[in-house]
Amino acid sequence: EPEVTQTPSHQVTQMGQEVILRCVPISNHLYFYWYRQILGQKVEFLVSFYNNEISEKSEIFDDQFSVERPDGSNFTLKIRSTKLEDSAMYFCASTPGGRYNEQFFGPGTRLTVL
Amino acid sequence: DQQVKQNSPSLSVQEGRISILNCDYTNSMFDYFLWYKKYPAEGPTFLISISSIKDKNEDGRFTVFLNKSAKHLSLHIVPSQPGDSAVYFCAASAGFANTPLVFGKGTRLSVIA
Repeated sequence: EPEVTQTPSHQVTQMGQEVILRCVPISNHLYFYWYRQILGQKVEFLVSFYNNEISEKSEIFDDQFSVERPDGSNFTLKIRSTKLEDSAMYFCASTPGGRYNEQFFGPGTRLTVL
Repeated sequence: DQQVKQNSPSLSVQEGRISILNCDYTNSMFDYFLWYKKYPAEGPTFLISISSIKDKNEDGRFTVFLNKSAKHLSLHIVPSQPGDSAVYFCAASAGFANTPLVFGKGTRLSVIA
């Protein structure tokens, strides 16, 4: 069964460094998302992406964040200058599109900012 | 502003019994509701969903009920099995394609053998 994959599974970085989190969505899906979950809190939406552009973003997704689909398969989230509060699990999700379609989530990348 | 609320952080149920997980929402624009199951160190896994045109959807041991007037939904698991022990997230979206999911805080279900 096709699945969303994410790399790395765990990323440790120093505050102020740039990180890139990578995702490979399910191949025939058209909509892509990034969510995050700070330890002990709920899963929060960051950004959605369709047709090579951002379609919606939350207030969390400030100028430090960017997303890109550099080729036909990868979908990346970049954090330009990490802060301690960026430490969280980051989940990528995708969906084929349409009104009542579930989003399929990857296993997540645990980002630890020291 | 909690648009999706799961007021029970945890629930313990005996194996073979029914598990009932509850979820309330405040946004009247939500018309698609989903339950996800999550194990530690894994991503949320889709379990079952319901659109606002229905009041019940069943898939094997899992049934979701929607009460639109009360803005309440529930997930029933019958019979509960030890492998069902996980965190269950209720999520909602406002219908049209690509809408982000809004999640509740989750309920940790423990099924005791």
